[in-house]
Amino acid sequence: QVTLRESGPALVKPTQTLTLTCTFSGFSLSSRGMSVSWIRQPPGKALEWLARIDWNDDKYYTTSLRTRLTISKDTSKNQVVLTMTNMDPVDTATYYCARVLGVRELRPRMDVWGQGTTVTVSS
Amino acid sequence: DIQMTQSPSSLSASVGDRVTITCQASQDISNYLNWYQQKPGKAPKLLIYDASNLETGVPSRFSGSGSGTVFTFTISSLQPEDLATYYCQQYDNLLSFGGGTKVEIK
Repeated sequence: QVTLRESGPALVKPTQTLTLTCTFSGFSLSSRGMSVSWIRQPPGKALEWLARIDWNDDKYYTTSLRTRLTISKDTSKNQVVLTMTNMDPVDTATYYCARVLGVRELRPRMDVWGQGTTVTVSS
Repeated sequence: DIQMTQSPSSLSASVGDRVTITCQASQDISNYLNWYQQKPGKAPKLLIYDASNLETGVPSRFSGSGSGTVFTFTISSLQPEDLATYYCQQYDNLLSFGGGTKVEIK
């Protein structure tokens, strides 16, 4: 059974750096074709894809936030970490991680999602 | 960046109705499109991938079609448990979601 769980601070101050961890089980990020993405959703708004890391350590970022995001993986711990610098109140959202299949075929789809973690940015 | 526009943004239909949602891409994305369902307070769930393929375990009343710039998502017979927001998502260039369509039950 594949599961993912997001963890991190519920509250951060403006200008601080946010660090979120996605801990997963049921698959390995060292297996060819495996990937993990981060997605966020501000309250009452649409989903926004943020970043993806592949089994071979290839990394992809959404254009609008590229300079603020860093994604990394610790294969031995089954974890993917997302950092976002210079947090602002508009970054208040629920942050999800998801397993991505189909990357090798260039047809990625997010088939299993974590429950999400809510982050509020406020002083 | 590729923009995805969904319509309508919300709809209300009766149980048993046929429901159709449209997703338009700002440029040709072939069939590089997925559909997700998000129930209130829950994480999204993959329903359709590659525009028309039903994810394992998803009821057959859900379907998708289209290619190029215009895509359609259909619920053939709306059920009470289909109350949710539905999102299209392209993967032709990085990844982006549509604005969502909220489906309510009359």
